[in-house]
Amino acid sequence: DARVTQTPRDKVTEMGQEVTMRCQPILGHNTVFWYRQTMMQGLELLAYFRNRAPLDDSGMPKDRFSAEMPDATLATLKIQPSEPRDSAVYFCASRGEARNTIYFGEGSWLTVV
Amino acid sequence: RKEVEQDPGPFNVPEGATVAFNCTYSNSASQSFFWYRQDCRKEPKLLMSVYSSGNEDGRFTAQLNRASQYISLLIRDSKLSDSATYLCVVTSVNSGNTPLVFGKGTRLSVIA
Repeated sequence: DARVTQTPRDKVTEMGQEVTMRCQPILGHNTVFWYRQTMMQGLELLAYFRNRAPLDDSGMPKDRFSAEMPDATLATLKIQPSEPRDSAVYFCASRGEARNTIYFGEGSWLTVV
Repeated sequence: RKEVEQDPGPFNVPEGATVAFNCTYSNSASQSFFWYRQDCRKEPKLLMSVYSSGNEDGRFTAQLNRASQYISLLIRDSKLSDSATYLCVVTSVNSGNTPLVFGKGTRLSVIA
């Protein structure tokens, strides 16, 4: 059963530390999304890639967040330095060509103290 | 105005009840519509797509009103296992280039 795989599942870190989250999209999916979910804001799109090219990262705070796709099987989201307000669930999702359905990973539950 | 708006609930209903959720969207260019379901501490999962003519999947019925920019989800004979958050989702064009925009979700608790 094909799945989007995310690591870490849970992360507690201190303010100021670097956090890197990784995502392996479903094999063959060419569009990858990073979403952040909080109680207050719901699911917010941070960035997305198509065929590894960044299409939109306007939802991401540029000073501390960066998203990359080093290859077709790996997407990364990095926060440096992390702040308590970054505490949230970060979901990666992927979609195949000419499809609208997206499939989410289990999420990375980040707590910055 | 938020792009996709939903009543956050919670909706607390007894087993067997019929419950309806509504959602409005602001972008008249929106083309594709979905309902996703999210369980506590889990990822969102596709429940059903919403078609212009309305569609049904077992106990679930989804409807779209383009003129009013409004989507609904009806759950009949609700089960305890239906307890979850239901997310209304829209995207602006029928292509692989556009991200999905999510509402904040409506929380449903089905009570025995």
